[in-house]
Amino acid sequence: DVKVTQSSRYLVKRTGEKVFLECVQDMDHENMFWYRQDPGLGLRLIYFSYDVKMKEKGDIPEGYSVSREKKERFSLILESASTNQTSMYLCASSLPTSGRPDTQYFGPGTRLTVL
Amino acid sequence: GESVGLHLPTLSVQEGDNSIINCAYSNSASDYFIWYKQESGKGPQFIIDIRSNMDKRQGQRVTVLLNKTVKHLSLQIAATQPGDSAVYFCAEIAQTGANNLFFGTGTRLTVIP
Repeated sequence: DVKVTQSSRYLVKRTGEKVFLECVQDMDHENMFWYRQDPGLGLRLIYFSYDVKMKEKGDIPEGYSVSREKKERFSLILESASTNQTSMYLCASSLPTSGRPDTQYFGPGTRLTVL
Repeated sequence: GESVGLHLPTLSVQEGDNSIINCAYSNSASDYFIWYKQESGKGPQFIIDIRSNMDKRQGQRVTVLLNKTVKHLSLQIAATQPGDSAVYFCAEIAQTGANNLFFGTGTRLTVIP
């Protein structure tokens, strides 16, 4: 089974702090993603990565950056956390398969609260 | 029980009944559709997918129906069980590519014992 793990289930930070959210997958997937999930807005893509050291902006990249130094690990960074970044953050990974959609497998999520 | 698109985000059904969760999509160019289940405190879990050249696909206790004419997708769960209580999302992919996955806001299914 695909396993995607996230470093924290719950996190509380203060405004202005630098925040690191870590995600690790154990299935050698090439693609990795960071989403945030908010009530009434569904899942929104922040950043994704097709390969090591490669990153692409999603729909809402402002206020975030990412790092992918190793294939299995994709980090989301909040350089200076703000209260509007309080949310559930979901990491996902997928393996490109010719002729089929890239089904994404999700981690359990990190609920971040910024005070 | 049956929900209507995204305007009724909650659905309650009796244990043992069949559930129908509906989803309207907007992009007629979408190639694939996926249903995800998200239990409380967990990440979304893949349930079933369907390709745009199909009308119906069956899995274990679940059936997905696709009506491209009206851009409508439904998930049918047979003999609904308490463990089926969760939020269900449909997602569409405009082309085969990981970055083109668009999620609906979801429907919360509650199974009444």
